[in-house]
Amino acid sequence: GNSVTQMEGPVTLSEEAFLTINCTYTATGYPSLFWYVQYPGEGLQLLLKATKADDKGSNKGFEATYRKETTSFHLEKGSVQVSDSAVYFCALPGSSGGSNYKLTFGKGTLLTVNP
Amino acid sequence: NAGVTQTPKFQVLKTGQSMTLQCAQDMNHEYMSWYRQDPGMGLRLIHYSVGAGITDQGEVPNGYNVSRSTTEDFPLRLLSAAPSQTSVYFCASSYRLDDINEQFFGPGTRLTVL
Repeated sequence: GNSVTQMEGPVTLSEEAFLTINCTYTATGYPSLFWYVQYPGEGLQLLLKATKADDKGSNKGFEATYRKETTSFHLEKGSVQVSDSAVYFCALPGSSGGSNYKLTFGKGTLLTVNP
Repeated sequence: NAGVTQTPKFQVLKTGQSMTLQCAQDMNHEYMSWYRQDPGMGLRLIHYSVGAGITDQGEVPNGYNVSRSTTEDFPLRLLSAAPSQTSVYFCASSYRLDDINEQFFGPGTRLTVL
């Protein structure tokens, strides 16, 4: 079944630093890939997605490229802000049960950005 | 649109008590699901529904029941609470069934079982 391995944090950066959060996946075929973000005290919200190989998803200055050669979907941002402090989750459809009605999440990476 | 709403936001139970976590969405989404979030475990799927009257188990269904009598509502019932069910619970919904696409999450219910 599909699975995702995500870099575990926590990650602490200074404002304007470069961010990379690694995510690799195991999947049958080429499913869509997602990054979700959870701000303190809130539910998850979609940050960006890519629906096929070599696609680049982008939003709010974050980017991730769907790389089938390395089975990766790393999240990057060139200059982080304090407001980016949150937990970031990599995700893809499917689970160990194989159903396409389920979304499998990584364990999450806590990012803290200091001023 | 209110999106996905959950009540209550916080709840404390004693072992053996029962309760229902409420979830509602006003986006006419067919797919709804319940996850629990535990430190270092990410989110794990408890139950899901692909439409009114249709539910199925996720990864960690034991100790939980669900029903889906309307498109809008998807309550989660704890039959006899246990300390292992202390967690943050999220309800989510999405529009399309042929791929998960974007899921919209509620704000969560933080449950403590003593």
